[in-house]
This record gives sequence, structure tokens and C-alpha cells, in this order.
Amino acid sequence: QVQLVESGGGVVQPGRSLRLSCAASGFTFSTYAMHWVRQAPGKGLEWVAVISYDATYKYYAGSLKGRFTISRDNSKNTLYLQMNSLRAEDTAIYYCAKDSGSLGTQEMHFWGQGILVTVSS
Amino acid sequence: DIQMTQSPSSLSASVGDRVTITCRASQSISNYLNWYQHKPGKAPKLLIYKASNLQSGVPSRFAGSGSGTDFTLTISSLQPEDFATYYCQQNYNTLALTFGGGTKVDIK
Repeated sequence: QVQLVESGGGVVQPGRSLRLSCAASGFTFSTYAMHWVRQAPGKGLEWVAVISYDATYKYYAGSLKGRFTISRDNSKNTLYLQMNSLRAEDTAIYYCAKDSGSLGTQEMHFWGQGILVTVSS
Repeated sequence: DIQMTQSPSSLSASVGDRVTITCRASQSISNYLNWYQHKPGKAPKLLIYKASNLQSGVPSRFAGSGSGTDFTLTISSLQPEDFATYYCQQNYNTLALTFGGGTKVDIK
């Protein structure tokens, strides 16, 4: 069955960096686009970024102002989110999600359980 | 970016009630509208895609409708496991996906 398992979260000081990973199994990872979505405490879902199946296309939420980078390693069935210059407002649960297509233009039809990132001094 | 506005932001209902949640887009999005269910501590779950298509495995009491700017999620007979927060999401502008603010459904 499809599994998405996020890791790499934790407490980090403002201004520092963190890299999240999402290990995928149960499907042919290299043929699907993948997303990151986050949920700040007490807030709703916010889309963060998408990457196409072959990493040709990458798009980001405008609010991130270039601080985050999405990437993938299809040989390792793993999705990444590199987060730099972290701010308190980046505190959230981060979810990886599988798109139903290869380019990231379809619905997010399977999600991981999420990983908590806390930005605090 | 396309703004998605859900109403109500919360509602209280009883088991067996018919529940309707609305989602309005700031511009026409055709039928590029998805609905998700999210329970605390759990992974969000896709319910409806392309406005009215029921995701595999989702009970038939869930139904979606609408096109253009106005959309509806209806739960025909609310069950105990349906108490959750529901989000709409547009994938018309695929360079900037956006979610509605959510509708929390709790027990009356």
C-alpha cells in the first residue's frame, strides 16, 4: 500500500536551516509529482511547493520568497524540502502529498502523517 | 493568487443530519476544485476531485457539485466518523495552488 513518511523535523532557531525528507513506498515514485503542504498551529492548510515526476518543474508559494527548495531523488524514492532562513511563522506541521499525475496539476490523492517543525530561540 | 472562501467556518450538527459546505473562488476555476477531510493528528484525505468526482473508497454520502466560482460539498447523512475539518482547494492555477480556510464540523 502507498506510504509516505516524513522525517527531519524538530526545533530550530530563527535564521537556521532544516531539511525535511519524505520516504515513499508502495507506488512507482518516479512517475508522480509530489507536493509539500503545511499547517501552522490553529490555521488551515497552506500549499508550499510542487515538483514534477522528473524534477523538471518546481513551483513554490509566493509567500516563501525563495527560502525553500523542493527536490527529489527518484533512485531513493525520497522527496526533500530544504528550508533556509527559517522564521517563527514557518512553525507548522509539514505534509508531503502525492499528486495523482506526473506534472503536479492534479489533485493530492495521498498524504503523509506530517512532521512538526518549530522555529524558536 | 486565486482566493478560496469557505462558509461557514464552523458548524455543529448531529448524526444523521444533512450538512452543506460552500466554497467560492475569487475567479472562475471551471471544475478544478478538490475537497479534503482532515482530522487532528491524521493525514488529510482526498474526498472529491474535479468538483464532483468521488475518490475511490470514499462513502457515497459525500457529494460535490458546482463549477465556475461556486462549489458545494454535501454530506447526506452525517456519521460519527465525519466530524472533522473540510477544505476546498483549487488546482486551476497550478503555479499557485490555494486552499480555503476550512470548515470545522463538530458535534451538536
